Amino acid sequence: DQQVKQNSPSLSVQEGRISILNCDYTNSMFDYFLWYKKYPAEGPTFLISISSIKDKNEDGRFTVFLNKSAKHLSLHIVPSQPGDSAVYFCAAGLQGGSEKLVFGKGTKLTVNP
Amino acid sequence: DAGVIQSPRHEVTEMGQEVTLRCKPISGHDYLFWYRQTMMRGLELLIYFNNNVPIDDSGMPEDRFSAKMPNASFSTLKIQPSEPRDSAVYFCASSLGLALIYNEQFFGPGTRLTVL
Repeated sequence: DQQVKQNSPSLSVQEGRISILNCDYTNSMFDYFLWYKKYPAEGPTFLISISSIKDKNEDGRFTVFLNKSAKHLSLHIVPSQPGDSAVYFCAAGLQGGSEKLVFGKGTKLTVNP
Repeated sequence: DAGVIQSPRHEVTEMGQEVTLRCKPISGHDYLFWYRQTMMRGLELLIYFNNNVPIDDSGMPEDRFSAKMPNASFSTLKIQPSEPRDSAVYFCASSLGLALIYNEQFFGPGTRLTVL
């Protein structure tokens, strides 16, 4: 049973345009959400996070939106750059860490020059 | 700091053989995590340690898998006997603490395991 779902295995976007990666979760107890980025042959690296008390968190070109009622979050990358091409993992857990972090299967983003 | 170190980076073995994956966490990190990445299940937590003590091993798929952390700077994940369905990328990660809001998990580069 996948508690965190990324339904799009891949996404292709033109350089300079917006990339939108989506994530859905089923466990209403989750109160902290993260996005990790993974390049080939490397481990995932933390990108951005959001607490359930917020509905938006922005860091440079990256913005994460949280819709608690829909149990949905999205990562927006504007403008997209070829260096953003990677696999993006959505993850969810509890702020206090009392439950393990649950990851989605990932979405492979390709940004074309 | 060199980051989380894993070895080997690639491992090819035959079914039935024992496989040992190794991890050196970032110095000073109290938590160590073992994850497995597959196409079917994505990135899933197998087990994690706090101060060298296993805390949650509910993700370990079966008794063929075992993990140890004999000291703060070394952990192993062993599969015995290995099976083709164990083929995956295994990641080790470490963090200072467990609370997500304060503690980032730093991942190693992973070990790509292929069981023939």
